[in-house]
Amino acid sequence: NAGVMQNPRHLVRRRGQEARLRCSPMKGHSHVYWYRQLPEEGLKFMVYLQKENIIDESGMPKERFSAEFPKEGPSILRIQQVVRGDSAAYFCASSPQQGFSPDTQYFGPGTRLTVL
Amino acid sequence: QKEVEQDPGPLSVPEGAIVSLNCTYSNSAFQYFMWYRQYSRKGPELLMYTYSSGNKEDGRFTAQVDKSSKYISLFIRDSQPSDSATYLCAMVRGSQGNLIFGKGTKLSVKP
Repeated sequence: NAGVMQNPRHLVRRRGQEARLRCSPMKGHSHVYWYRQLPEEGLKFMVYLQKENIIDESGMPKERFSAEFPKEGPSILRIQQVVRGDSAAYFCASSPQQGFSPDTQYFGPGTRLTVL
Repeated sequence: QKEVEQDPGPLSVPEGAIVSLNCTYSNSAFQYFMWYRQYSRKGPELLMYTYSSGNKEDGRFTAQVDKSSKYISLFIRDSQPSDSATYLCAMVRGSQGNLIFGKGTKLSVKP
């Protein structure tokens, strides 16, 4: 059973470009969380989605950031017009159902975004 | 005041030492208390968790929760070089599973 997959693992963008980060949840999982880890900081919650629905986006910056989880395909975190402050590691986690159980939520390996 | 506070270290110990890692929190509504291990350039992996208060033991690892003091601990006995990693405490706000993490403590176990 493949774990949570994220790609690309490393992404380099110049200021003003767009970044698209993809997360494929574990098989059978229909819920996805996105977190951001800035240098020297802990992980910060960004958004929680189920297929075709955003459940909680309280941690998303108000501008330039968006997320989706379509019926088919991976969840996508999109950052428009990137700035140097967006450089961070972005992790997704997946779970099989709404509600929380620590031992059914798994993290992916992360995408490291560098903005030049 | 941050909801979860964790000393980032770094912490360096000799092999075989007992390691104590700690977090404090401010929200008395937290019920799940987790410890994650994160190796360099990897995603966090759940090490162990406790629901509500008390202790939990798993091999060389013991997690403790003191809700009266809003203080949680992770103890590692007989530490090994392979335990070298960043340890993150995390708690859950609400029922949807949005985790609130401490900054993480970077641990190095020297052979």
